[in-house]
Amino acid sequence: QKEVEQNSGPLSVPEGAIASLNCTYSDRGSQSFFWYRQYSGKSPELIMSIYSNGDKEDGRFTAQLNKASQYVSLLIRDSQPSDSATYLCAVYDSGYALNFGKGTSLLVTP
Amino acid sequence: EADIYQTPRYLVIGTGKKITLECSQTMGHDKMYWYQQDPGMELHLIHYSYGVNSTEKGDLSSESTVSRIRTEHFPLTLESARPSHTSQYLCASSAPGTHQPQHFGDGTRLSIL
Repeated sequence: QKEVEQNSGPLSVPEGAIASLNCTYSDRGSQSFFWYRQYSGKSPELIMSIYSNGDKEDGRFTAQLNKASQYVSLLIRDSQPSDSATYLCAVYDSGYALNFGKGTSLLVTP
Repeated sequence: EADIYQTPRYLVIGTGKKITLECSQTMGHDKMYWYQQDPGMELHLIHYSYGVNSTEKGDLSSESTVSRIRTEHFPLTLESARPSHTSQYLCASSAPGTHQPQHFGDGTRLSIL
């Protein structure tokens, strides 16, 4: 199984700050990348997808992809306490399997 | 927005019982998946299906079985529940084509006494 690595955290940021979540993957042939948000006791919810190198913005969220460095990140601007959750990085490898990272726990403090 | 439904949401049941967890989706997705997740832990893929009459085991060995007789329905069965089966079970589906994101149901939280 191809690896998707995330720092488990917790990452603590003050309200209003930018939260930066990072993910690396091992399969250089990976094509599609997703970020999911999972609140405690709930199921994962898709929040961003990115397929090409560069940045993709959606509201307060920006996904960044660098295929050469095998690195994908998620920036959350103007972080709110309601953003406190675990963020899962998911990557389709060259064998068409979707591999999930273990997730990074984000805590936004008022 | 994905429409994928799991029932029951919560189930507390005694050891030795046969359990079926239901998962249905209304989007005509060909691919469906079952994950197991303990609190605070990572997702583990236990079963998947790429279409009717197609089922495969996932990365985590599981004593459960699945069936896919209809496109929209992907039930998971435990023939004889044990306390070690206590966990959250998440069903997901994805649209036809490669590299489609998976969309999750609300999950079933299973407790075996």
